[in-house]
Parts: sequence; structure tokens; C-alpha cells
Amino acid sequence: QSVLTQPPSASGAPGQRVTISCSGSSSNIGSNIVNWFQQSPRSAPKLLIYSNSQRPSGVLARFSGSKSGTSAFLAISGLRSEDEADYYCAAWDDSLSGYVFGTGTKVTVL
Amino acid sequence: QVQLVESGGHSVKPGGSLRLSCATSGFTFSDYYMSWVRQAPGKGLEWLSFISGSGTTIYYADSVRGRFTISRDNAKSSLFLQLSSLTTEDTGVYYCARDQSGIPPRGEFDYWGQGTLVTVSS
Repeated sequence: QSVLTQPPSASGAPGQRVTISCSGSSSNIGSNIVNWFQQSPRSAPKLLIYSNSQRPSGVLARFSGSKSGTSAFLAISGLRSEDEADYYCAAWDDSLSGYVFGTGTKVTVL
Repeated sequence: QVQLVESGGHSVKPGGSLRLSCATSGFTFSDYYMSWVRQAPGKGLEWLSFISGSGTTIYYADSVRGRFTISRDNAKSSLFLQLSSLTTEDTGVYYCARDQSGIPPRGEFDYWGQGTLVTVSS
């Protein structure tokens, strides 16, 4: 069981906005940066957001990240069918002296 | 362009051993922390290990510490993971990934391989 908790699923109609939460603690999100990864079916994960809110080159501005206290959030605006994927948050955990991924959220476009 | 290609995955019996390789190209390998991440069938991502560019700093997840060994050969731009005392719970796709974040590593995995499948079964 991961120390970073995400809702198992999220959904929205095309064009809508979806927000995914990632709940942690003071030893991980509360004291370290958060990264987000997108994994489409049968593909390797892709870095979507790094350092809480930074987008790598090529990632659309429809994807945004934020952090508040011991929680982090990924927002997807203008939802598209190609956004259907699994999304994972991740952060270093000082107590574990290791890196942890969230439980993952499956996004469905209705 | 940056490329990471894993190999070495196959079927092995419980208690067995395996060595995975990750051949890289397109960047100065020794400048980057590298990592291994795995994914059990139908499950989420699990980080396994980090190794620094020089190979002198290593971190492991509790689930594999003492059983798995990460290493690298900078002359060959290659990353390795030695797996031993395997159990059925080690079954999954194993990915190598490059960490863009520098020192200390922050898990900003900007490039991933396609993965190699390890199956542990009697």
C-alpha cells in the first residue's frame, strides 16, 4: 500500500476540467517536490509535471500541477479522448529514504 | 535522440536470479542519476532503486533491499539490475528511467525505456 493516496478513478466529458488529488504526509509531499506521470495503455509512463508545477517541453498547458501542505493536485482542462490514461503522483519520502509513487488514478473521458 | 532499451527479462522459477540491462544512447550517461521502476500486472508503479552518475550513491526500496543490486557501466552507457531470491510478487514489467533533476535525485524521470517482462513462476 502506497503512502501517497489518489482516488482510483476520475471522469469528465470532453472539454471539461478534471482534478486529481494526491494525499501524503509531512515526510513526503510536505517536504519534497511532487512529480506527475501519465501512462497510456500498453505504454511506458511519461513525465507530465515535475517540481510540483513545471511542465516538460512538449506537455500542453492543459495540464497543470499544484501543491498545498501535504496534498498535491493535477488538473486537466479541456478534456480530450487522448487524455484517457492512468495518472500517478510521486515524491521522495524522508522517513522511508526512498521514492514513492501514488496509488494511481484512471481518467475516463465520457 | 535519447534512447533507453531494457533487456534480460524472461521466465524464472521462485528463488532464482536474473540480470536486467538497460542500454542507453543520446546523452552523457555519467551525468545522470538512473533508476529502475517496476509494474506488476494490472497494478501501479513501484520505484525500486536509484544510482548516482558515478555509481557511488545508491538507494533501494525496502521491498528489494538485500535481494536486488543496481549497478552501471559508464564506459558502455549501460545500467543493470541484478535480481535474486525472486518470488512470484516480483513478476512484472521492469523499466529503466533517467532522472533529469541532478543532485539529490528527485525522481523527475524524463526518459523511460519500453520495459522488460519478468515472470516468476514455478
